[in-house]
Amino acid sequence: DAGVIQSPRHEVTEMGQEVTLRCKPISGHNSLFWYRQTMMRGLELLIYFNNNVPIDDSGMPEDRFSAKMPNASFSTLKIQPSEPRDSAVYFCASSVNRWNEQFFGPGTRLTVL
Amino acid sequence: GIQVEQSPPDLILQEGANSTLRCNFSDSVNNLQWFHQNPWGQLINLFYIPSGTKQNGRLSATTVATERYSLLYISSSQTTDSGVYFCAVGGDRETSGSRLTFGEGTQLTVNP
Repeated sequence: DAGVIQSPRHEVTEMGQEVTLRCKPISGHNSLFWYRQTMMRGLELLIYFNNNVPIDDSGMPEDRFSAKMPNASFSTLKIQPSEPRDSAVYFCASSVNRWNEQFFGPGTRLTVL
Repeated sequence: GIQVEQSPPDLILQEGANSTLRCNFSDSVNNLQWFHQNPWGQLINLFYIPSGTKQNGRLSATTVATERYSLLYISSSQTTDSGVYFCAVGGDRETSGSRLTFGEGTQLTVNP
């Protein structure tokens, strides 16, 4: 079975540009999570969806960040405009339901110059 | 929110040695997972263990929820065990929802 799929794996962009990160959860999983990993803050939850509906977006840093889940097999995390402090590894995770074991994708390493 | 503390922060072993990693948490949990982040940055699921004991090959884990800690045992360590080990917990469903709160990790280095 394919695990959580993320694209791109690496993204280098310039400050002010729009960045879109993509995630395909494991088939049959109803919950999807976006996490960010930085040296300063470690791993932290940005937002999660249950049955395609955003449940908790309290971790989203500011209005420059937005996330969507138009269907059960696809989610995007968008940053517009991007800033150097957004540089981090962004992980997507999914689980059967919101209380169960979470499985992580390989991550997208974002560098904003 | 729930606090997660891992120890030790760093651990250096010779190949073949055994080790114990500890995770303390500040409140009751409905989810506890151990991950290994390999040198390529991938987060590998080791155990889903909100309570009880599990074993998988050379690795085993025990969570004593009433005393708010979990232990990860690595026996006969190999160089491929190197990396960062994270404990992540999900707290009370009402106050924490489904979020996993990660500890700061234990950096393990296994030398040949």
